[in-house]
Amino acid sequence: DAKTTQPNSMESNEEEPVHLPCNHSTISGTDYIHWYRQLPSQGPEYVIHGLTSNVNNRMASLAIAEDRKSSTLILHRATLRDAAVYYCILRVPKGRGAQKLVFGQGTRLTINP
Amino acid sequence: DVKVTQSSRYLVKRTGEKVFLECVQDMDHENMFWYRQDPGLGLRLIYFSYDVKMKEKGDIPEGYSVSREKKERFSLILESASTNQTSMYLCASSAMSGGVSYNEQFFGPGTRLTVL
Repeated sequence: DAKTTQPNSMESNEEEPVHLPCNHSTISGTDYIHWYRQLPSQGPEYVIHGLTSNVNNRMASLAIAEDRKSSTLILHRATLRDAAVYYCILRVPKGRGAQKLVFGQGTRLTINP
Repeated sequence: DVKVTQSSRYLVKRTGEKVFLECVQDMDHENMFWYRQDPGLGLRLIYFSYDVKMKEKGDIPEGYSVSREKKERFSLILESASTNQTSMYLCASSAMSGGVSYNEQFFGPGTRLTVL
């Protein structure tokens, strides 16, 4: 499985944008980039995923570098509820391996009031 | 609202006991998963199932077995619990559509198992 590298922790202030980086220099051409987050005392939850183009949904935006070797999860206006561990995960599109989520250590995001 | 439920939030068992962790999903998903989460090691896949009565080993299957007799239910079994199986156990499910199985995984709240 291709690896991802994320900072261990980040801190931001409430109502400010947050940019969470992820490096994946060994990504293959067909790997999808997925983001999950885990709020305290809960199971992980899906945030967003993409392949090449930037993606937006109600939770966040995903900006993918042109060479696909890095990506950034953007929370446009952080709230205290966004404090969580954020995981960047690469997934193959088909086959048995596609079913697996390989979690790294993630980035622990702290939001200051 | 989609739901993955796990039978217990907290469980305390003794070394050598047989332990059953149950997971039920109400989304008619084909795929179901069991992970364990430990500090410093993150989430690791134990077993997964892509259909009733079908199972496949994950990254750390030793000491565990699974059962999937019905589509909505996936059980994790510790045949003889040991202290190193003290952990948070998370169940998840996902749909398979069009032969593509990288869909969003939905997680349960987790079971914190302590083996004394």
